[in-house]
Amino acid sequence: SQQGEEDPQALSIQEGENATMNCSYKTSINNLQWYRQNSGRGLVHLILIRSNEREKHSGRLRVTLDTSKKSSSLLITASRAADTASYFCARPLFSGSARQLTFGSGTQLTVLP
Amino acid sequence: DAGVTQSPTHLIKTRGQHVTLRCSPISGHKSVSWYQQVLGQGPQFIFQYYEKEERGRGNFPDRFSARQFPNYSSELNVNALLLGDSALYLCASTLQGVNTEAFFGQGTRLTVV
Repeated sequence: SQQGEEDPQALSIQEGENATMNCSYKTSINNLQWYRQNSGRGLVHLILIRSNEREKHSGRLRVTLDTSKKSSSLLITASRAADTASYFCARPLFSGSARQLTFGSGTQLTVLP
Repeated sequence: DAGVTQSPTHLIKTRGQHVTLRCSPISGHKSVSWYQQVLGQGPQFIFQYYEKEERGRGNFPDRFSARQFPNYSSELNVNALLLGDSALYLCASTLQGVNTEAFFGQGTRLTVV
């Protein structure tokens, strides 16, 4: 089952607008990661934010983390058609010596030209 | 440097058959994980291997097995294929550690007919 939930499930905006996606999770984390997936292809890592960080930037991306609310958000500013993709939040889950990423169901972002 | 490579990219199999998927991690990465992604969902963890040993296994039946070779490449095997095994199979490599990103291959699209 999915351990995190992205909201909204789908988002459609015009080029140049900002896009905000949210992620909620249920248990404590060491870090939270955001990935992008173009249609049917592999995932690309965007940003990793540690549990002691509140905000992180990378180019047009801004990620915030609120551990008290167990939520994170990804903001894409000045969106472009090339930003059209699915966006996933993921958190590491540690079980014994295993380390796995648990993903939400993703937000499908469509940027219209 | 080459990224994570997976082969084949697409595969069509008949129910009951067996399939082997292959993955080569990024040079220097000793940890390889496998994920299954069905349409419309986020990736689900299948296995993690580190230094040729299985470190974790997700909630998948024994029909799924994997191994890691001395050069850190990995194979995922699925026996007695079911229609429900149709999915995108993703391989990810990481440096072992708590706060590290995962690098994904482009995936193998498996269709079971």
